[in-house]
Amino acid sequence: KNEVEQSPQNLTAQEGEFITINCSYSVGISALHWLQQHPGGGIVSLFMLSSGKKKHGRLIATINIQEKHSSLHITASHPRDSAVYICAVSMTNTGNQFYFGTGTSLTVIP
Amino acid sequence: DAGITQSPRHKVTETGTPVTLRCHQTENHRYMYWYRQDPGHGLRLIHYSYGVKDTDKGEVSDGYSVSRSKTEDFLLTLESATSSQTSVYFCAISELRGGEQFFGPGTRLTVL
Repeated sequence: KNEVEQSPQNLTAQEGEFITINCSYSVGISALHWLQQHPGGGIVSLFMLSSGKKKHGRLIATINIQEKHSSLHITASHPRDSAVYICAVSMTNTGNQFYFGTGTSLTVIP
Repeated sequence: DAGITQSPRHKVTETGTPVTLRCHQTENHRYMYWYRQDPGHGLRLIHYSYGVKDTDKGEVSDGYSVSRSKTEDFLLTLESATSSQTSVYFCAISELRGGEQFFGPGTRLTVL
């Protein structure tokens, strides 16, 4: 049983396309995090959000607490956006331990 | 970038040998975490620390122990390595419980 589900698992897009990655979770959370992992392994935190919407450059993250769902959008995608995007939640009933989705592997083709 | 390093970055060892991985931070963050990352699984928490000498187990703690004698260092020990512990290990730090986490570069461990 995985508390965090991501879709799709793999995604290929043409440069310039608008991309959406989805994350659903099953229990109460204190916050949801989006992370990026490039080939070679480094993991970077992109967003932390508990309500509403956040924007950073071409990246937008939204969360709907009632529906237990979050989306990560990439506008005007670029090959350098190719990476694995990971959704994680910190859960209130486990002392705010993190639980991670298995990631969405994104490839943007020039 | 948050100052967090891991050593070694790569290690190959044999079944039954002890292994210690080190995580070092220069941010003075209170919380430190050890995760493992395996294909088909998300990152999974092994152990975490909420202060010097204060540690607790995560969801995959069997076969691992940790120690934190200084704020800046968090050690992960495999007392007797097994092939199932072949993985990539990430250390992370955070200032607040449940807050944004900053990850180290990872250690690739192979147990033959």
